[in-house]
Amino acid sequence: GAGVSQTPSNKVTEKGKYVELRCDPISGHTALYWYRQSLGQGPEFLIYFQGTGAADDSGLPNDRFFAVRPEGSVSTLKIQRTERGDSAVYLCASSTGTGGDGYTFGSGTRLTVV
Amino acid sequence: QKEVEQDPGPLSVPEGAIVSLNCTYSNSAFQYFMWYRQYSRKGPELLMYTYSSGNKEDGRFTAQVDKSSKYISLFIRDSQPSDSATYLCAVGVNTDKLIFGTGTRLQVFP
Repeated sequence: GAGVSQTPSNKVTEKGKYVELRCDPISGHTALYWYRQSLGQGPEFLIYFQGTGAADDSGLPNDRFFAVRPEGSVSTLKIQRTERGDSAVYLCASSTGTGGDGYTFGSGTRLTVV
Repeated sequence: QKEVEQDPGPLSVPEGAIVSLNCTYSNSAFQYFMWYRQYSRKGPELLMYTYSSGNKEDGRFTAQVDKSSKYISLFIRDSQPSDSATYLCAVGVNTDKLIFGTGTRLQVFP
């Protein structure tokens, strides 16, 4: 596609529920990134995929968070047993992975846990 | 100490002014320096990308990196109301994992 697509754009869920956030990167981009942005803060790294494998998941805050990219294209960020502190905008970005072009971000999924 | 420090502003300037936005960082291993612009309820958009030290110019935007001082700057010439947004600096040892500043909110009034 023309840009990075994230769905849903907004998600409201109850505390304790499970949520899935989807990211469709730019076609041909091998690298995919998830960041989380809390109100008034800059994006914070969560996980980075090169192809199908998670090359660096050091930013995932705990084992309630998990992400997959089974075919090297679309990625899903999964959050179990959501907590109110998980409320944030979850941003996905993609790049060619060569290190020379920066990222293209999607518009994010605004997650609210009530 | 945070790895990247950025004044959150807000910074309010008249149209046509020169804007200076700055970040400091603590890790001398950082080699990649980027500036992103973020409009309300949108994802960040890459403005400038610099590897190592020096200056880079693109239209009305100039990015500077001073590795000896661990200081990066973005200058906007002839600022326009459409430049009103939050500006985020980002640094990294590589581009796989960037560390972002908190962002500076800029308002350019006509």
